[in-house]
This record gives sequence, structure tokens and C-alpha cells, in this order.
Amino acid sequence: AQSVTQLDSHVSVSEGTPVLLRCNYSSSYSPSLFWYVQHPNKGLQLLLKYTSAATLVKGINGFEAEFKKSETSFHLTKPSAHMSDAAEYFCVVSDPRPGTYKYIFGTGTRLKVLA
Amino acid sequence: GAVVSQHPSRVICKSGTSVKIECRSLDFQATTMFWYRQFPKQSLMLMATSNEGSKATYEQGVEKDKFLINHASLTLSTLTVTSAHPEDSSFYICSASDRGGETQYFGPGTRLLVL
Repeated sequence: AQSVTQLDSHVSVSEGTPVLLRCNYSSSYSPSLFWYVQHPNKGLQLLLKYTSAATLVKGINGFEAEFKKSETSFHLTKPSAHMSDAAEYFCVVSDPRPGTYKYIFGTGTRLKVLA
Repeated sequence: GAVVSQHPSRVICKSGTSVKIECRSLDFQATTMFWYRQFPKQSLMLMATSNEGSKATYEQGVEKDKFLINHASLTLSTLTVTSAHPEDSSFYICSASDRGGETQYFGPGTRLLVL
């Protein structure tokens, strides 16, 4: 069975400092992993995805994530936070069996960026 | 590319009425669409999965007679909340994936308030 754990429900950083949002997963299969961002009262926007290619995945808006199988982690990072990064972030693992492709969501991490 | 729209973005209705929410994939053919429900400050909860031309598959605990899903074409799925009650008030989000696709693209969501 697949599951995903986001270790921090809230993260606060100062503008211009690095961002680290942590995600650990559990999967019986070779997982596909995603990070999505949700701004208030909006839908989810795909930041990046890992689908068994390069372990370091670069996404939009300067975000990247590294797949570490030995640590079962897929942490999201950004070198320098911007005020517009304040939002809710979801780590997602997908059931990779064809015909299924259901998403299992983490509980989310709310990122606050301080001026 | 991969844009998903939802209509309406916000709806207020009286208890006992039915509400229809549309989800459209604007620039790709969505063989599979998903409907989620999100409570305030919580993660997304999958309600059902629908494949074009076939009946939706509902998650455990979701009443299929209350939440009617139709996926009549490759670009349109609808969710009808029948005989809505205040406890149905929530943020409803759809997503879509293309043929064989693992990545889901999310709509902007519909906020339903039942008085």
C-alpha cells in the first residue's frame, strides 16, 4: 500500500532564505511522486514530478526535489523564498499500476514567508 | 497546456436543491477525471473516479445516489449534488488525466455553500 507523510504542518521562513518542505513515502511499488501547490481558494498546481527518471527533479518557480530511495524521502526545496511562495503544499504518491493512478495525498504543509 | 476549468467557481443554494458542477479539460482529452472534496485546512479527499463513457467508481463512504457523476465526453465531467444539505458545503475540486497519463491536472475548484 502507498502512503505519504508530510512531517511539518506549518513552515515559516524569511523572504530570501531557503525553503525545505519534508515528505516521506511508503510504497509497495516503484513510486511516482508529485508536489503540488495550492494558493487560497484555488485549485492545485503541479510543481514537479518524479517518475523513475533523474532523482533530482526541477520544477517551476525555482523549486526542486530529490528522490532518495534509501531514505524513502522526496523533500521539496527552493534556494530563496519569495513572498508569493506562501501557500499550501501537498506531496502526493501515485499508485503506479496502470488503470489505477489514484493519488494518495499528504496532509499538506502551509508555508508562511515573512518579510 | 493541460488546463482544467470548473464552473461555477462559487455557488450558494438552498437546502434540498440540486447543484451541478462542470469540469472541463480545455486542451487535452481527459480519459479519466477525478472528483475531490476538501474541507477547510485539510487535504483533498477523493470522492470518485470516472472514465469516459463508463460509470464512476466511488470511494468507500461516498453516496453515489447523492453525488451523481457523469463523464459523457472526453472533455467534460459533471458532479451533481442532489438534495443538498448544509453538511454538503465544501470545496469541490476536479482533476483530469489524459490517456495512459499518470499526472492529474486540477481545476480551480468550486465552493458550495448550502443554506
